[in-house]
Amino acid sequence: EDKVVQSPLSLVVHEGDTVTLNCSYEVTNFRSLLWYKQEKKAPTFLFMLTSSGIEKKSGRLSSILDKKELFSILNITATQTGDSAVYLCAVEADMDSNYQLIWGAGTKLIIKP
Amino acid sequence: DAMVIQNPRYQVTQFGKPVTLSCSQTLNHNVMYWYQQKSSQAPKLLFHYYDKDFNNEADTPDNFQSRRPNTSFCFLDIRSPGLGDAAMYLCATSRGWGGSSSFIYEQYFGPGTRLTVT
Repeated sequence: EDKVVQSPLSLVVHEGDTVTLNCSYEVTNFRSLLWYKQEKKAPTFLFMLTSSGIEKKSGRLSSILDKKELFSILNITATQTGDSAVYLCAVEADMDSNYQLIWGAGTKLIIKP
Repeated sequence: DAMVIQNPRYQVTQFGKPVTLSCSQTLNHNVMYWYQQKSSQAPKLLFHYYDKDFNNEADTPDNFQSRRPNTSFCFLDIRSPGLGDAAMYLCATSRGWGGSSSFIYEQYFGPGTRLTVT
């Protein structure tokens, strides 16, 4: 059965800390892995990863995919209170001529001042 | 099991012929979202309902409308589908978010409806 597992489920750190969020997957016919951030509103897109070993960066956020070990990490450096959110990981998979989007449960990140 | 259900799973419509996609949830969640996902792209949020409050994304075309008659159901209406509207449409729900609370809830997604426009 295809699945996406995120860890930890929740995380509380202090402002300025660096955090690493994990996403592992077991998916048939992998296409891409996506990261989203959900604050007190609809989620916003962060990264799409398709190639192994290529880091994507956006400011203090970065992400990398390991297709051999079937996982991705999302790093946030010098965290700020505005980084508090749920971070969602999803994996696209091909199922015959169709594809599925399989979502993880999310990591709830709380940054304390 | 509580879940998010989308019907139909596959929909074929003709150019310009209105189509309605449906989403239902047994989770009793406050928020329901509609996403559009085209091939090789990340899902794009179209709009969401927080209870009865409708929130449209700025770049969602007028051709897309939504209805939420009750907590459990949400519909996506495409008034005049074009070839460019062929995509996977994903529905999601969440418990939403509250005032000053820092507690934010994750989303639960349905399996999607694949729309083909001929």
